[in-house]
Amino acid sequence: ETGVTQSPTHLIKTRGQQVTLRCSSQSGHNTVSWYQQALGQGPQFIFQYYREEENGRGNFPPRFSGLQFPNYSSELNVNALELDDSALYLCASSPTSGSLSNEQFFGPGTRLTVL
Amino acid sequence: AQSVTQLDSQVPVFEEAPVELRCNYSSSVSVYLFWYVQYPNQGLQLLLKYLSGSTLVESINGFEAEFNKSQTSFHLRKPSVHISDTAEYFCAVSSYDKVIFGPGTSLSVIP
Repeated sequence: ETGVTQSPTHLIKTRGQQVTLRCSSQSGHNTVSWYQQALGQGPQFIFQYYREEENGRGNFPPRFSGLQFPNYSSELNVNALELDDSALYLCASSPTSGSLSNEQFFGPGTRLTVL
Repeated sequence: AQSVTQLDSQVPVFEEAPVELRCNYSSSVSVYLFWYVQYPNQGLQLLLKYLSGSTLVESINGFEAEFNKSQTSFHLRKPSVHISDTAEYFCAVSSYDKVIFGPGTSLSVIP
């Protein structure tokens, strides 16, 4: 059974650029969530995708957007990067259709640095 | 609105001593409760969860947590810690479409 994978592992961008992060969910999982974890803080919920639609969102501006594909993999897109976007971005998948009421399985994360 | 408080940012404890990591939450709706652990340079892993039923839940590596609805708490305990328990511990609450993590407690086990 393959776990949650994310790519790339590290990324450096400059302010104002756009970035796309990718996530493959664990086999059999149809719900994907994205989190931002700043250094020394807990993960902050960005949004959740189920059946290729956003199904729950945290307090993040519209320049944070996502996609989910028919194979349940997902992308996180961030436009107009700001210095404060520097963080570890975590993807998590869950077998509980469209709900965050159960265990989530996390990937290793993508470390984004904005200069 | 939901929120999670972990009052202790760092907890040093000697090996084989007991430990309690505190978690309090606030929510206007029924929630599900979780403890996740993050070992150095690794992703988050579920330690234990409370969805319903017995208020005392246990993990396979000796941790336990008790859901206290009146005090809105979900404290994590272990009677005897090991060096390998050194990690960051996060309490989380979720409703159907939202999940909130606490700021984390760094547990350092001293030999």
